[in-house]
Amino acid sequence: GQSLEQPSEVTAVEGAIVQINCTYQTSGFYGLSWYQQHDGGAPTFLSYNALDGLEETGRFSSFLSRSDSYGYLLLQELQMKDSASYFCAVRSTGANNLFFGTGTRLTVIP
Amino acid sequence: ETGVTQSPTHLIKTRGQQVTLRCSSQSGHNTVSWYQQALGQGPQFIFQYYREEENGRGNFPPRFSGLQFPNYSSELNVNALELDDSALYLCASSPQQVRSGANVLTFGAGSRLTVL
Repeated sequence: GQSLEQPSEVTAVEGAIVQINCTYQTSGFYGLSWYQQHDGGAPTFLSYNALDGLEETGRFSSFLSRSDSYGYLLLQELQMKDSASYFCAVRSTGANNLFFGTGTRLTVIP
Repeated sequence: ETGVTQSPTHLIKTRGQQVTLRCSSQSGHNTVSWYQQALGQGPQFIFQYYREEENGRGNFPPRFSGLQFPNYSSELNVNALELDDSALYLCASSPQQVRSGANVLTFGAGSRLTVL
């Protein structure tokens, strides 16, 4: 089976840095993805890690530690528009689908 | 390039009825996946279609079925609707059967189904 754990809610101040953690359990790990979903909107792809280390894409970075079955999404210079739900998702070996976590609702306050 | 479009955006059905949801994949994408997203939850994988064949299925009963057409568009059909089927149904397309890499999904905005 597969399971993913993320905090349900995070609140941070505009301009600050926030880290959203994700721990996973899966039989046969292939990669960890992050998606953003605004209320009423479609999930959109943010980042992907297959190997240990940090991937940086503008203000967003994602980290993976395969030995710890752990990853995180780091959002820097937070903006009000970053208020959204963030989902980590795993892809297992031999599977084409993604298994999503329950999501972390980020609220950015002035 | 056009994104993923889904129809209808909202619909209300009663228990026991049947529903068909439609999805047009992004230009150049030949693989379509369907996800169910209950309120406050993450998307749950229903099934995937590639070359008009079902290619992977999640833990959903057979009353959830689908089709993919030669133009890569897709339908999700749900028979004998139950109250718990109330959810946002998301369609996602991807460029090909990805054997490595991120398998980035492009999602539509979804069809919100309410079952009364």
